[in-house]
Amino acid sequence: DADVTQTPRNRITKTGKRIMLECSQTKGHDRMYWYRQDPGLGLRLIYYSFDVKDINKGEISDGYSVSRQAQAKFSLSLESAIPNQTALYFCATSDTQGANQPQHFGDGTRLSIL
Amino acid sequence: SQKIEQNSEALNIQEGKTATLTCNYTNYSPAYLQWYRQDPGRGPVFLLLIRENEKEKRKERLKVTFDTTLKQSLFHITASQPADSATYLCALDKGFQKLVFGTGTRLLVSP
Repeated sequence: DADVTQTPRNRITKTGKRIMLECSQTKGHDRMYWYRQDPGLGLRLIYYSFDVKDINKGEISDGYSVSRQAQAKFSLSLESAIPNQTALYFCATSDTQGANQPQHFGDGTRLSIL
Repeated sequence: SQKIEQNSEALNIQEGKTATLTCNYTNYSPAYLQWYRQDPGRGPVFLLLIRENEKEKRKERLKVTFDTTLKQSLFHITASQPADSATYLCALDKGFQKLVFGTGTRLLVSP
């Protein structure tokens, strides 16, 4: 089983719809992240959470919100989707033990907004 | 402005040769740098981390160098194999366990 699971894997929806992307992890990590990946732009950080009570905006948080329901669950919402939010979305986790920890990624959600 | 540059053109090499990928950055002073591999339809997978006080790090056929004066990291795969074909991403430490990623370089290893 995957350590970091994202659902759904693919989603096609219409402009103006509310969408939730979910991420769950079995790694026991406190830190969780949401990124989007666009061709030519690389991975960009949307939101991150260092524990259940901690939520922080990343570099491109406008139009998105998140919820950290438990240590293992971190969901990303698009309140009113727009076409330029079409992208590949990744959730990642990292350990708090020691500095410089690598991030562990899920396999992404491909989101298309028509 | 802060920038990370990886060669956007694919790197094509023959099996058995050494692949060298470059990551250049400006206006950052990262305490460490990480390299990831990404296959189509999959999330990035961590490969190696190198700290600012380390010049070189090795793991099996992989070698990473980090030159803080040149603001450059080189990623080498020796004795490359077709299975090494993937996109390789460098990521810099932005502090507080946040990373900033390059756009990646696609490597194609031909048999």
